[in-house]
Amino acid sequence: NAGVMQNPRHLVRRRGQEARLRCSPMKGHSHVYWYRQLPEEGLKFMVYLQKENIIDESGMPKERFSAEFPKEGPSILRIQQVVRGDSAAYFCASSPGEDPPTNEQFFGPGTRLTVL
Amino acid sequence: DAKTTQPNSMESNEEEPVHLPCNHSTISGTDYIHWYRQLPSQGPEYVIHGLTSNVNNRMASLAIAEDRKSSTLILHRATLRDAAVYYCILRDTLYFGNEKLTFGTGTRLTIIP
Repeated sequence: NAGVMQNPRHLVRRRGQEARLRCSPMKGHSHVYWYRQLPEEGLKFMVYLQKENIIDESGMPKERFSAEFPKEGPSILRIQQVVRGDSAAYFCASSPGEDPPTNEQFFGPGTRLTVL
Repeated sequence: DAKTTQPNSMESNEEEPVHLPCNHSTISGTDYIHWYRQLPSQGPEYVIHGLTSNVNNRMASLAIAEDRKSSTLILHRATLRDAAVYYCILRDTLYFGNEKLTFGTGTRLTIIP
């Protein structure tokens, strides 16, 4: 059973370009979470999605960032007009969605975004 | 979210037990105590969780104080592969939709060969 997959693993963008990060949850998981880890800082929650629904986006920056989890295909975190401060590791996690506050979240290896 | 307090760093000798403490004096009755760890250059991974009773699994043990204001993650025989940042996290079971993990600064565990 493959784990959570993220691609690309490394992404380099110039200021003003768009970054698109993909996350494929574990098989059978319907809940996806995105977290960001800035250099030398802790992990911060960004957004929680279920299929076709955003459940909690309280950690998402108000501008330039968006996320989706369509009925078919991976979850996408999109960052428009990237700035140097967006350089970070972005982690995706998934969970089955049953008994949500107690079940574990399975994390992917992350996408390391570098903005030049 | 209820707050947790952990030492910034700890060291332990290889093949010895490690006790990682966590204080959560404002814990509520519906908060579960979760532990995750993050190995260098990897995503976090789940270690263990509990509510009131002590818990054991293949990775570790979790000892929870009787008043639940503190807990201790126990690695019974540390190896070099256990070197990581360990996070103690409280998760509220009361509200559906509140599934996010709130990571603090964690404890950076160094294993000495």
